[in-house]
Amino acid sequence: DTGVSQNPRHKITKRGQNVTFRCDPISEHNRLYWYRQTLGQGPEFLTYFQNEAQLEKSRLLSDRFSAERPKGSFSTLEIQRTEQGDSAMYLCASSFTESLTEAFFGQGTRLTVV
Amino acid sequence: AQKITQTQPGMFVQEKEAVTLDCTYDTSDPSYGLFWYKQPSSGEMIFLIYQGSYDQQNATEGRYSLNFQKARKSANLVISASQLGDSAMYFCAMRPFSGSARQLTFGSGTQLTVLP
Repeated sequence: DTGVSQNPRHKITKRGQNVTFRCDPISEHNRLYWYRQTLGQGPEFLTYFQNEAQLEKSRLLSDRFSAERPKGSFSTLEIQRTEQGDSAMYLCASSFTESLTEAFFGQGTRLTVV
Repeated sequence: AQKITQTQPGMFVQEKEAVTLDCTYDTSDPSYGLFWYKQPSSGEMIFLIYQGSYDQQNATEGRYSLNFQKARKSANLVISASQLGDSAMYFCAMRPFSGSARQLTFGSGTQLTVLP
């Protein structure tokens, strides 16, 4: 499979627990993006990596959220002390250039906080 | 800041007919790019078509064309000869060419249903 891979596909967690999602981009892509999509809405930008450097962060990325890309390959998104409002689809995308027309999205991780 | 407005929550079209999905945008950036994505039930966002704000001609990509009217700040997607497989959510998005250039701003989407 040469697409963007996200794991797990679904996650149900209790409020207050920590969760971590993983994104494996297309192998030669050095740019990686995280988006959040709540029900009935379009995706909202969370953060952007170029190689291992986190170059942009949205104000949506509160102190409870942290994203890493330690070796410039896969990335993780952690949410601490989850809240019901964190329930959403978390989408990852990757690209080789800055042209977003060449960005590919994964199928997302759907988080449900109960 | 950028804003995308999609006023059609749902649209129906007969198979083989053409359909137009509306998108208006607001931005203070002098140059920007406009995108359309398809999101099937499997969840991934599939890139369809792109229009740069300084492109003189409307973009076309197979059965997809973008009706770009800069003065009206609209970027409608036209799908010709609809197919059952076109049933999905469709999102309009934009990015500026300065500042937050790596960030796409999406609209709320239009659910398209193609009827046999």
